[in-house]
Amino acid sequence: QVLLQESGPGLVKPSETLSLTCTVSGVSITSYYWSWIRQSPGNELEWIGYIFYSGTINYNPSLKSRVTILLDTSKNQLSLRLNSVTAADTAVYYCAREYRRWFDPWGQGIQVTVSS
Amino acid sequence: QSALTQPASVSGSPGQSITISCTGTSSDVGGYNYVSWYQQYPGKAPKVMIYDVSNRPSGVSNRFSGSKSGNTASLTISGLQAEDEADYFCSSYTSTSTRVFGGGTKLTVL
Repeated sequence: QVLLQESGPGLVKPSETLSLTCTVSGVSITSYYWSWIRQSPGNELEWIGYIFYSGTINYNPSLKSRVTILLDTSKNQLSLRLNSVTAADTAVYYCAREYRRWFDPWGQGIQVTVSS
Repeated sequence: QSALTQPASVSGSPGQSITISCTGTSSDVGGYNYVSWYQQYPGKAPKVMIYDVSNRPSGVSNRFSGSKSGNTASLTISGLQAEDEADYFCSSYTSTSTRVFGGGTKLTVL
């Protein structure tokens, strides 16, 4: 069974960097693409980006200048860094395995609030 | 990239069928057979219900079906049940190898 678990601070100050980790169990992260997805308070889902262990990375053009996704194969984890955050980055952040061209499974999600 | 367009809400009575549309462009929905649909209950993570336009993962009820015509994909739920009340999102692969979601549709079972 593949399980994903997000972790990180639930509160980030404006202009600072949001950093999250996703721990994967049940499968090696070298075997699939992995994505970060967020859900706004208005309930809309937004794809942030994906990474493959070969080094293939792709980001949402609207976030590309601020986002970095990395893999740590020694810990079977992926990470997300989003810098210069504003209140508009307040959301529930999910990591998900991309199985071919769909997302399955998803982590349980982590609420991140941007506020001073 | 713009979000795919879904109706904000749909409703139906138990036993009826409903259809949720998901409209994109020739650069996403219309250009590839890589549309997926997700069901989400409040406070829970989304769960895939349909992948590659019309395929059901193991364990998903055959009351759920998907299709596509041109730039619009559709999710149909037949024999509506109370447990189907949830939010539904579509997603598509795009011509720049990114992914895009729809705005989501709230399904109410009357």
